[in-house]
Amino acid sequence: GENVEQHPSTLSVQEGDSAVIKCTYSDSASNYFPWYKQELGKGPQLIIDIRSNVGEKKDQRIAVTLNKTAKHFSLHITETQPEDSAVYFCAASSTGANSKLTFGKGITLSVRP
Amino acid sequence: NAGVTQTPKFQVLKTGQSMTLQCAQDMNHEYMSWYRQDPGMGLRLIHYSVGAGITDQGEVPNGYNVSRSTTEDFPLRLLSAAPSQTSVYFCASTPSLASIGKNIQYFGAGTRLSVL
Repeated sequence: GENVEQHPSTLSVQEGDSAVIKCTYSDSASNYFPWYKQELGKGPQLIIDIRSNVGEKKDQRIAVTLNKTAKHFSLHITETQPEDSAVYFCAASSTGANSKLTFGKGITLSVRP
Repeated sequence: NAGVTQTPKFQVLKTGQSMTLQCAQDMNHEYMSWYRQDPGMGLRLIHYSVGAGITDQGEVPNGYNVSRSTTEDFPLRLLSAAPSQTSVYFCASTPSLASIGKNIQYFGAGTRLSVL
């Protein structure tokens, strides 16, 4: 089955700096890669996703890049703000009858004011 | 449109007790799932359902039962709680199985369970 790994497990940045969170996956059949943000006491919420037919996707201050050859994808947050502090999960899934979303272990991002 | 609603938000059980975690969605989604979240372990799939009357096991199904009698509801049952089941439980839904690779999953706010 799919195995998704996230590195590092914690990340602390100064407000205004950029943050990069990396994930690797094992199953070459995976073609959908979402990122979820979980704030304290809440459920995860999708913030951005990317499919295998594109290499990069941006949405305001966040972007995701995908390298299918190397089987890794990354979340980039620019101009970080204190409200970006949360746990971020990457995930991977294939499409089809047996699709399951496999999550990474999560990374805790702290943005220092 | 409330999305995915989980009850209760918090629960404390004694070892051996049983309980049901409730999950309801009002988006007419076919696919629903239960995850548990443990420190350093991320989100692990317990059980899922692709539609009313159909359920299947995920990555960590032992100790849990599910049923799906309606599209809206997907309860998770602990028949004999164990300390190893202390965790935060999340219910999620998405329009269909085919949506997993195409669409977002909507998560509930979670149930924090402690088994003493």
